Formats: sequence, C-alpha cells, structure tokens
Amino acid sequence: DTAVSQTPKYLVTQMGNDKSIKCEQNLGHDTMYWYKQDSKKFLKIMFSYNNKELIINETVPNRFSPKSPDKAHLNLHINSLELGDSAVYFCASSQDARGRDGYTFGSGTRLTVV
Amino acid sequence: RKEVEQDPGPFNVPEGATVAFNCTYSNSASQSFFWYRQDCRKEPKLLMSVYSSGNEDGRFTAQLNRASQYISLLIRDSKLSDSATYLCVVNPGISGGYNKLIFGAGTRLAVHP
Repeated sequence: DTAVSQTPKYLVTQMGNDKSIKCEQNLGHDTMYWYKQDSKKFLKIMFSYNNKELIINETVPNRFSPKSPDKAHLNLHINSLELGDSAVYFCASSQDARGRDGYTFGSGTRLTVV
Repeated sequence: RKEVEQDPGPFNVPEGATVAFNCTYSNSASQSFFWYRQDCRKEPKLLMSVYSSGNEDGRFTAQLNRASQYISLLIRDSKLSDSATYLCVVNPGISGGYNKLIFGAGTRLAVHP
C-alpha cells in the first residue's frame, strides 16, 4: 500500500526517558513533516525536511531532534521527556516543499509521558 | 488574531440536513486552501482543495472569498458517516518557496438518525 507509515502507534514512557518515533513514506514525495496535536486537538507544525534538508524548524525545544537519512524517512528523537510532551505526533509528506496539493498524514503516534 | 479561525461547534444535525462551516484566515497572501476531515483518534485526511472559483465534489461544496479572507464548506444530505471534525487549512505561502500548512482548530460535526 502506498502510504505514510509511522511507528510505534502508541508510546507510554516515564519522564526523563529518551524515545524515538520513525516515519517512512513510499509516495515518492520530496518533503516530509512532523506535526504535534495536543490535548486541545490543535495541529501545529514542528519540522519540515525537503530532500533530507531541514527547511522548517518551528519554536520547538531542542530536546526534539529530527533526522532524515533519506527523503523517504523522517525520524523524531525526543530527549528528557516531560509531561507536557504528551500528545499525538503526526508525520506527513507532500509532493514538494510548496505543498500545493496538501499533505498525506501517517496514522499518528500517541505519546503518553507519566 | 489566530492565523486560521473556525467555529468549534459541535454542530448536531439530523441525517439529510444541510450544514455549512465557515473559516477565516489572517494572511491575505495565502496561496492555497483545503478542507481536511479528522475522525476520532485518526489522522487528518484531505477532503478537498478550495479554489477561487468554488468547487464541488458530490455532496460537498467549498468556496473561497479572497477579499473577505473567508472559506466555507457546505455538506448537503448529511450522512451518519459524515460525523467527524472538519479542519480548515491554509497555506500562507511563506517566501523562499517553503510552505507549511496552518490548521484551524476544527469544527466538530455530529449527524444523528
């Protein structure tokens, strides 16, 4: 199936731990994104990569570090997890950095920090 | 002022009803516009793009008014399966060729029998 897939779907971890979320797209898109959806359901962009190059870096704590080994993959590593990091993290991709046709989203990773 | 504003609802309507959602955006230079649908505990999915001339896809009609910076979505003959949160999405067209989609907080629709 052509899609954006991210793992894991659920992640429950203790404060202070380090965790990673992985994302892969087989749509042949050039651009990938990480979005965060908080408890109020508001979706906010965190990062964007275009052909492995970081192009958008919103005001995100530097405990969050994205990494794109190739244009089909975009991972998110989070250090020293805090309670406020609990949210759903969505990976997305678009044909190119202009995003004129919208984005395709992965099914999300529900992170709970306890 | 938020970049994209929507009435959060919820809109509770009976099957067969016509319902309209509205959205305003703050950046007059915005270049492209979309409606996304998000079901409970699922990812957002593209419902339709919104064009200046207005566009229709079956029971769904989207319209854009650039002068008023206003976007609308009309759903006719509502089905139970239309129950979801509808997200108004704007691409503000950031300079340098790199864009990011800005999402509204969503309008919740509940269609009942």
